[in-house]
Amino acid sequence: LAKTTQPISMDSYEGQEVNITCSHNNIATNDYITWYQQFPSQGPRFIIQGYKTKVTNEVASLFIPADRKSSTLSLPRVSLSDTAVYYCLVGVGSSNTGKLIFGQGTTLQVKP
Amino acid sequence: EPEVTQTPSHQVTQMGQEVILRCVPISNHLYFYWYRQILGQKVEFLVSFYNNEISEKSEIFDDQFSVERPDGSNFTLKIRSTKLEDSAMYFCASSETGLHSTDTQYFGPGTRLTVL
Repeated sequence: LAKTTQPISMDSYEGQEVNITCSHNNIATNDYITWYQQFPSQGPRFIIQGYKTKVTNEVASLFIPADRKSSTLSLPRVSLSDTAVYYCLVGVGSSNTGKLIFGQGTTLQVKP
Repeated sequence: EPEVTQTPSHQVTQMGQEVILRCVPISNHLYFYWYRQILGQKVEFLVSFYNNEISEKSEIFDDQFSVERPDGSNFTLKIRSTKLEDSAMYFCASSETGLHSTDTQYFGPGTRLTVL
């Protein structure tokens, strides 16, 4: 399983765009990159997933460069309710049992 | 939108007692999971379950723990002889297939277990 590295914490203000970068130098050819979000006292929630280039949904965008050794989660115009922990996960399905291995994640604090 | 539900939301028990945490996964999902999160720490995988048997378990999931799907809808985690260090949030999750890294896992709201 590929090891991931992401900042422990980030601060932002309402209305700003937030970019959280995750490094995964040992990503395998068949690995996907998945981001989850966790609010305090709640379970993690899937945000977005991608393999290469760019993926966009109603919540976020995911940018993946050609070498796939990193990825950037982009949250447009954040609000106070986006304050949460964001986890980058890579290669989670390699075991064929689907278990997710979470790191410490990035704690995003959005300020008014 | 279908969701995973868990009961109870908070369970307080005495050390040495047995507890059963209950989960109702999303109805058409085939893979079920339990995770736990000790306060201030990361989410940890405990066990995955498919076709009425354990697919994989972590080192945490020792003989103290067991899982069961007693009927077509519930998925339970039993902790025998609870210890203080079992105090944590326990999350149930389910996914449609679980076989590939692309499959999304849907998490329940969690049960906060407090062992006194």
